[in-house]
Amino acid sequence: GDSVTQMEGPVTLSEEAFLTINCTYTATGYPSLFWYVQYPGEGLQLLLKATKADDKGSNKGFEATYRKETTSFHLEKGSVQVSDSAVYFCALSNNFGNEKLTFGTGTRLTIIP
Amino acid sequence: NAGVTQTPKFQVLKTGQSMTLQCAQDMNHNSMYWYRQDPGMGLRLIYYSASEGTTDKGEVPNGYNVSRLNKREFSLRLESAAPSQTSVYFCASSEAHRTTYEQYFGPGTRLTVT
Repeated sequence: GDSVTQMEGPVTLSEEAFLTINCTYTATGYPSLFWYVQYPGEGLQLLLKATKADDKGSNKGFEATYRKETTSFHLEKGSVQVSDSAVYFCALSNNFGNEKLTFGTGTRLTIIP
Repeated sequence: NAGVTQTPKFQVLKTGQSMTLQCAQDMNHNSMYWYRQDPGMGLRLIYYSASEGTTDKGEVPNGYNVSRLNKREFSLRLESAAPSQTSVYFCASSEAHRTTYEQYFGPGTRLTVT
């Protein structure tokens, strides 16, 4: 079945550091890929998405490129801020009609000033 | 515009007790979802309602029932709580039951079953 694997956390970085959170997937066909973010005490919010190979999703300085050849959708940001501290979830949908989101286990990110 | 609201925020139950988690959205969305979030497991879909009047099982429906009361409200019921149901429960809604539409999540209910 479909699955999403994220890098283990927690991740701690200093402010203005470069961020990469790895995400790889297993799915049949051509899934859509998503990054959701969960700030402390809140529900998940969609951060960015990509629906086909080589698409780049971007939002709030974050980027991720849909790489079909490596089945990856790594999240990157050039200069993180304290306000980026959150849990980040990679997810996919397989577009085969069941419209179900499959989530990774989440990566907790803490940014220290 | 409150988005998706959930009540209660926290709940402690004893094994065998029942309770209903409430969810409401004010975005006129057609589709609503219940997920549970467990450490090391990400979010898993319990039940969903693609449109008013319909409900379907998700990945982990055992031990739960749902009611789509109207377009705004979607409740999740635990008839006889078990410690394995200790989790954080999230309700979500979307304009339509397609993942090309963003899902909007509530703040969650933290449930402990002792």
